[in-house]
Amino acid sequence: DQQVKQNSPSLSVQEGRISILNCDYTNSMFDYFLWYKKYPAEGPTFLISISSIKDKNEDGRFTVFLNKSAKHLSLHIVPSQPGDSAVYFCAARYSGNTPLVFGKGTRLSVIA
Amino acid sequence: EPEVTQTPSHQVTQMGQEVILRCVPISNHLYFYWYRQILGQKVEFLVSFYNNEISEKSEIFDDQFSVERPDGSNFTLKIRSTKLEDSAMYFCASSREEEKLFFGSGTQLSVL
Repeated sequence: DQQVKQNSPSLSVQEGRISILNCDYTNSMFDYFLWYKKYPAEGPTFLISISSIKDKNEDGRFTVFLNKSAKHLSLHIVPSQPGDSAVYFCAARYSGNTPLVFGKGTRLSVIA
Repeated sequence: EPEVTQTPSHQVTQMGQEVILRCVPISNHLYFYWYRQILGQKVEFLVSFYNNEISEKSEIFDDQFSVERPDGSNFTLKIRSTKLEDSAMYFCASSREEEKLFFGSGTQLSVL
């Protein structure tokens, strides 16, 4: 039962172009969404988050968009850099300090 | 920058043996978690711990698993009698209230 789905296991993007990573969720009770980045042999590191009361949050090159009616969020990275090559996990949680529910991840490769 | 520290980075054990995975969370954090990732699969929640007790646990966290915060700084996950299917990367995480999780680099557990 996948409550958080990342349907693209991998994505390749040219350096300097935009990377768009997508995530869908099934449970409308989720109210906080996060993106984590993971390099090999390291733990996930927090990238950016968004509350369900917003539809956009921006932090430098990273922007997360939330479409609640479609139960969809996306992470935009622009411009993409080779150092962005990693696995990106979408995660969601209910209100309060509840456990994160992760997607399976999307491997992003930024090609120089 | 403060970080979550996990030891050992790799643990190899025989099926049926007990293992203890150790974590030192970030010092002013109040919530502690264990997650795991079986190779090629999503990151899965195991257990959360707050105020010296388990606050939530998943179906994976059965009677073979236990957690402890023995001395106010360490946070341990014990698997009493390991099974082959316990082989995974185990991540410890900590957070302050209502904030993002900080993950350690993980312990790769291999059960032979």
